Amino acid sequence: DTGVSQDPRHKITKRGQNVTFRCDPISEHNRLYWYRQTLGQGPEFLTYFQNEAQLEKSRLLSDRFSAERPKGSFSTLEIQRTEQGDSAMYLCASNPSAETQYFGPGTRLLVL
Amino acid sequence: GQQLNQSPQSMFIQEGEDVSMNCTSSSIFNTWLWYKQDPGEGPVLLIALYKAGELTSNGRLTAQFGTTRKDSFLNISASIPSDVGIYFCAGQRSNYQLIWGAGTKLIIKP
Repeated sequence: DTGVSQDPRHKITKRGQNVTFRCDPISEHNRLYWYRQTLGQGPEFLTYFQNEAQLEKSRLLSDRFSAERPKGSFSTLEIQRTEQGDSAMYLCASNPSAETQYFGPGTRLLVL
Repeated sequence: GQQLNQSPQSMFIQEGEDVSMNCTSSSIFNTWLWYKQDPGEGPVLLIALYKAGELTSNGRLTAQFGTTRKDSFLNISASIPSDVGIYFCAGQRSNYQLIWGAGTKLIIKP
């Protein structure tokens, strides 16, 4: 257990539905990252926050995706109008500055 | 997305054998990281390397940051059943983004 928690661990949804995932980072970590991982691949960067500010977004993050970190603590990642191609593991990581990132257990999404 | 070249893709070994895997890149990195991921879980950091030429150990694991800053290797000595999993290398180029290899799946034959 790295101290980063994610909820839910698994989500099955129908195409077109909206889903929201939550990440609680290690409490003293001011940086928070979201990644997406598909089978047989390494994680791909989606976005990151320093405190409550979203500082970078990957081109992978389409308009249907939105992430927030309103108080600089937990973060949410919402996917609107889900598509089958959104099926993946969504990973959250945190670190205190530019140091190594510690990952949560992930949320596995299956879009039917 | 961009990925590092990680090899081998998978390894079948006997318990007790040593394991070696490596990552290469066309780009320079300031930090190399090695993670292990078990099925259904997030990656867990094994070793972090911060300087070119650095050799670092963590128990039976040893990793090196290549002198060109474009490669790294990970060795596992005397493998045991709990070493099974997928090992990922990651390069940290900026202060936030990690570029990942596709992973090396380690399978230990009973």
